[in-house]
Order: sequence, then C-alpha cells, then structure tokens
Amino acid sequence: EIQLTQSPSSLSASVGDRVTITCRASQGIYNSLAWYQHKPGKAPKLLLYAASILQSGVPSRFSGSGSGTDYTLTITSLQPEDFATYYCHQYYNTLASFGGGTTVDIK
Amino acid sequence: QVQLVQSGSEVKKPGASVKVSCQAFAYTLSAYYMHWIRQAPGQGLEWMGWINPYTDATNVTEKFQGRVTVTSDRSVSTAYMEMNSLTSDDTAVYYCARGGRGYHNHAALDIWGQGTLIIVSS
Repeated sequence: EIQLTQSPSSLSASVGDRVTITCRASQGIYNSLAWYQHKPGKAPKLLLYAASILQSGVPSRFSGSGSGTDYTLTITSLQPEDFATYYCHQYYNTLASFGGGTTVDIK
Repeated sequence: QVQLVQSGSEVKKPGASVKVSCQAFAYTLSAYYMHWIRQAPGQGLEWMGWINPYTDATNVTEKFQGRVTVTSDRSVSTAYMEMNSLTSDDTAVYYCARGGRGYHNHAALDIWGQGTLIIVSS
C-alpha cells in the first residue's frame, strides 16, 4: 500500500493569503494524484486530478504541481468559502489511499 | 444531473451487519468503477475498496478483507457495501464515489454520494 503524508495537518490563514499544502507519497505515483476539499456535513469535492488538472467548475485560484513522490496544492488569495479540510488521494496503485488531511481555518 | 444517492443513516448493535446502497442517476452504473470510502468521527478519509459493476471485479483493502463485500445490481443502477461483525470502531460516515471509466480504474473520484452515517452502539 502506498502511504501519503500531508503537511501541515492544520494551518491558520486569513482571507487573501496564499496557502500551500504538500503531499508526499511513499513511492513514485507518476502524477496519479487528486486533491479534494471537504467541508463538515458535505461530500468531498474533487478539485484537481493528474496532479495539476483543474476539475471543471473549480476556481483558478486552486492549482497543483509536483512529480515523483512530492506534490503541492496551492490556493492563491484564500476566500471565505475555502476554509475546509483538504485531502490528497493517490490512484496509481489499484489499492488507492488518502493523505491524512490538512485543515485550513481562520486566523 | 449526474449524482449518487445513498441510503439513510442506521444504528446497529455490535456484531451486527449493515448494507449501504448507492444509486446512480443520469449515467450508466456499469460504465464506471465505484469506490467506497469512510470517515470516522474526528478522523480523515479512509479508502475501503472498489467494484467494477460491468465485470463485477472487486478489490478491498486488506484491513477490510473478509468483513466487507462490495456488490452491484445493474438492473437498479445501485452499488452496495456490506460490512459484518460491526464494532464501535466502525461508527463512521460511509461514502460511495465514482471512479474511472470502462477498464480505466486509475482515476480520481469525481462524483460522491451524500454519505451514510452508520452508528454502532449497544
């Protein structure tokens, strides 16, 4: 099983801030990585797939990058609706896995 | 629109079984893999397994092997996740989510069900 380690586990930020979340895989996953936003009481929402491709309808302030084992989700100019928990997900292996999550809350 | 609608919340006794359903709307169930994920209180997302509703091939992570069965019924466009020998540690919200198309299993999860809360308590 491929382990995904997200950092930080939580962060406090203000509206307008730039936020960066990292996801490290225990082995190379060849960009087979997705990012999700999850709010309490709601279903997770797909933000990006293939490490850097924005899902239809997702604002362009979300972006992804990385290769090999290291990947990054960046939110430029954080908006009030962006306060949530973010998860990375690898689908390179037929046994998928999620990172532990990063909670972004209001400073 | 394309959506997955799950069955309602349930309360179960320890040792019991539960079967969660996930009905697909506005797309053909058998055309995409279906994954199951859960979130225990205060915890992160945990991937459980998948089914290919066209071939009925399944794969369940080792942690749940022998205790979780994923099935589908194409005639009613519905996937199911059944878990037996429940303990309090299985208290969680269970989600179904649409995966890859056709034989392409390696894909992100683009459509999610609303979640089903399963509470295991004596």
